Amino acid sequence: DGGITQSPKYLFRKEGQNVTLSCEQNLNHDAMYWYRQDPGQGLRLIYYSQIVNDFQKGDIAEGYSVSREKKESFPLTVTSAQKNPTAFYLCASSIFRLAANSYNEQFFGPGTRLTVL
Amino acid sequence: RKEVEQDPGPFNVPEGATVAFNCTYSNSASQSFFWYRQDCRKEPKLLMSVYSSGNEDGRFTAQLNRASQYISLLIRDSKLSDSATYLCVVNIRGDTGRRALTFGSGTRLQVQP
Repeated sequence: DGGITQSPKYLFRKEGQNVTLSCEQNLNHDAMYWYRQDPGQGLRLIYYSQIVNDFQKGDIAEGYSVSREKKESFPLTVTSAQKNPTAFYLCASSIFRLAANSYNEQFFGPGTRLTVL
Repeated sequence: RKEVEQDPGPFNVPEGATVAFNCTYSNSASQSFFWYRQDCRKEPKLLMSVYSSGNEDGRFTAQLNRASQYISLLIRDSKLSDSATYLCVVNIRGDTGRRALTFGSGTRLQVQP
């Protein structure tokens, strides 16, 4: 089955600890994205990557880091510098079009709920 | 002004009703539009893309109005299973030139028996 997997589903960490969230896709998509969703809020873009070994900051990148060493994988590290890390984290992927202003729909993984105690 | 704006609702409607949501967007140059559905505590799932000519998928109809910069979603013959939050999604290329989609905060629909 093709799809996007995220692990773990629930994650609890102590304040001040770094934590890495996993995201893997076998859809052969070029682009991958990380979003954060807070209760009653929309999705906010943290980082995105259009190609292996390249990634860009989104709207709320402070306190987060990513890597894109393989096409299938786009892990997100929530560092101790992130002031309010408790949230629902969603990873997505899409086919990436080079045509200007042309965007494909994104497909999401099931998400990871991070709670910092 | 928000880049993508939706009425948060909730819209409470009886089964069988017709309900419509609108979503306004800020960038007149936007080209890609989608509606996603998100169930409570789940990931968003693509409901339908929105094309310039409008499109229909069963009980769902999406329309684009470029002049007024809004898209709409019409749901006919509402089912209990339609209860969810509906997210409006648009490509908004900001000053940074980032290539990604912008999600609205969502409109919550509650269909009642």
